[in-house]
Amino acid sequence: DMKVTQMPRYLIKRMGENVLLECGQDMSHETMYWYRQDPGLGLQLIYISYDVDSNSEGDIPKGYRVSRKKREHFSLILDSAKTNQTSVYFCASSQTGTSDYTFGSGTRLLVI
Amino acid sequence: GQQVQQSPASLVLQEGENAELQCNFSSTATQLQWFYQRPGGSLVSLLYNPSGTKHTGRLTSTTVTKERRSSLHISSSQITDSGTYFCAMEQGGSAKLIFGEGTKLTVSS
Repeated sequence: DMKVTQMPRYLIKRMGENVLLECGQDMSHETMYWYRQDPGLGLQLIYISYDVDSNSEGDIPKGYRVSRKKREHFSLILDSAKTNQTSVYFCASSQTGTSDYTFGSGTRLLVI
Repeated sequence: GQQVQQSPASLVLQEGENAELQCNFSSTATQLQWFYQRPGGSLVSLLYNPSGTKHTGRLTSTTVTKERRSSLHISSSQITDSGTYFCAMEQGGSAKLIFGEGTKLTVSS
């Protein structure tokens, strides 16, 4: 069953804490993405990864970093979380050069 | 950067009515796609349509590349069609998929 798995589904963190969001895919897709979704703003691209250790900033990378050490795994790290990083975070993957995108179920992060 | 604008922001229909969703983009789009998101859910791809007209089930998308616009027509809407519809396009061959702000569709009985 081809899928993108995000962990955890829900997360509450205090301001200043570090946050690790994890994403895995079982399709050997080369390209992976992290988006955040806020009401009325659609999905905003945080980072894109073209393959292992080949990452590029999206439209809103400030306050985030990523790690991709294996093709099937892409992590989003928030160092010292801020309240304005409260959002729903989606991971997605695609095979480069195709129109086939698969999204995870999202992680709902609350920073208090 | 490239922009994707969708209209209307929200749409309320009676079951059985047709829906017309619009998407305008700021430059030549590649990988133009329509996605659907159930309330509180994930996104699924509905139609990949970089140009011309594509059909699947009750959905029809028409993309006029030269005019930088795409539309999604939903015929005979059903309550289960309720949710948010997103238009997305690839940014200049970078594989960066950029989304519009979405159209929230509500279908009632």
